[in-house]
Amino acid sequence: SSELTQDPAVSVALGQTVRITCQGDSLRSYYASWYQQKPGQAPVLVIYGKNNRPSGIPDRFSGSSSGNTASLTITGAQAEDEADYYCNSRDSSGNHRVFGTGTKVTVL
Amino acid sequence: QVQLQESGPGLVKPSQTLSLTCTVSGGSISSGSYYWSWIRQPAGKGLEWIGRIYTSGSTNYNPSLKSRVTISVDTSKNQFSLKLSSVTAADTAVYYCAREDYDILTGYYFDYWGQGTLVTVSS
Repeated sequence: SSELTQDPAVSVALGQTVRITCQGDSLRSYYASWYQQKPGQAPVLVIYGKNNRPSGIPDRFSGSSSGNTASLTITGAQAEDEADYYCNSRDSSGNHRVFGTGTKVTVL
Repeated sequence: QVQLQESGPGLVKPSQTLSLTCTVSGGSISSGSYYWSWIRQPAGKGLEWIGRIYTSGSTNYNPSLKSRVTISVDTSKNQFSLKLSSVTAADTAVYYCAREDYDILTGYYFDYWGQGTLVTVSS
């Protein structure tokens, strides 16, 4: 399958930790990248590779992977982390890209 | 700092061809080992990868759109373009262009995005 499945929504108390997961067969072979999207804005890369953050992304964002599941963890969630998060990876052919279904994170 | 900017008609009639251009500034579209991609997002829905082009002209398209999509590059203008034929209301979306980078240690990732442009398919 070339699909990447995410939980539709998760909530986290301010300052607490939340983990967002992305499941798909292709993740056994390829890394996922993660994108944060706030309303009316373009997505922003937050994690890529094994656990790499672009310049300017806070270190409270981290990534991990095990088997067919990639995870994005926000440790000490802030109000500004409230957004939609999407994973992305290759499909089984390796030549196409697939986005996850997206997770809406609410910070309480 | 690389910047991408989408441009094109905001309204397209059903059955016609949607045409968008992405202008890259802050760097040459020919430099480095990057893929130049199109991604879209219908209102209230998730992201959908449309396809990508390498500066050599090599392309990859989403299998579900392949029969209707053409992506091309004009290195002299530092631009790449999207054409989507036979559009219907289902093609109404915000269309983003993005740069895809690759590293052998980290895989592929979209590091720069345009702001997006809304294209509505309606008569």
